[in-house]
Amino acid sequence: SQQGEEDPQALSIQEGENATMNCSYKTSINNLQWYRQNSGRGLVHLILIRSNEREKHSGRLRVTLDTSKKSSSLLITASRAADTASYFCATIPTNAGGTSYGKLTFGQGTILTVHP
Amino acid sequence: NAGVTQTPKFRVLKTGQSMTLLCAQDMNHEYMYWYRQDPGMGLRLIHYSVGEGTTAKGEVPDGYNVSRLKKQNFLLGLESAAPSQTSVYFCASKLDGETQYFGPGTRLLVL
Repeated sequence: SQQGEEDPQALSIQEGENATMNCSYKTSINNLQWYRQNSGRGLVHLILIRSNEREKHSGRLRVTLDTSKKSSSLLITASRAADTASYFCATIPTNAGGTSYGKLTFGQGTILTVHP
Repeated sequence: NAGVTQTPKFRVLKTGQSMTLLCAQDMNHEYMYWYRQDPGMGLRLIHYSVGEGTTAKGEVPDGYNVSRLKKQNFLLGLESAAPSQTSVYFCASKLDGETQYFGPGTRLLVL
């Protein structure tokens, strides 16, 4: 079963605008990661936020995490046509009494299209 | 440093045929993973390995087998392919941090 649900499923914006994608998850987590996938390619890690963090920045990316609502958002500011891709959230659940071995559970993804 | 590579890139099989997908990494990573990606869904974990000689089942292991005889290679086998196994298969690896590094994928079509 999918741990994450992403919203919206698809997002279309103009270059220069901001893009916000949301992710909700079901169980307690150690951390939440965002990955990007260009069409026909593998996934590339963007950013990781730990369960004790509320906000994190990396270049034009801003990630927030609300563990009380079991949700996260990814904001891409000043978007570019090259940002066109699918974006996935992935979680490592908290595993009391054991280790997760780094197993990620992915959301369904948001398809972002940035028009020049 | 090639990172994570996958062979083949694309394959067409007939129902009942077998094949092996190869994943190789040159980063000396301990952990390796096989995922499948289907339209409208995120990646789902098939099998994983926490080190040479070890394998374990993921979320959707049925119909697949794996082997990790060498640390740098993780093989995914389909003994008797079914149309439901038509998918894009991704391999990933990591060291001891949380970030996984993905290969470019293998597109498999089972007729």
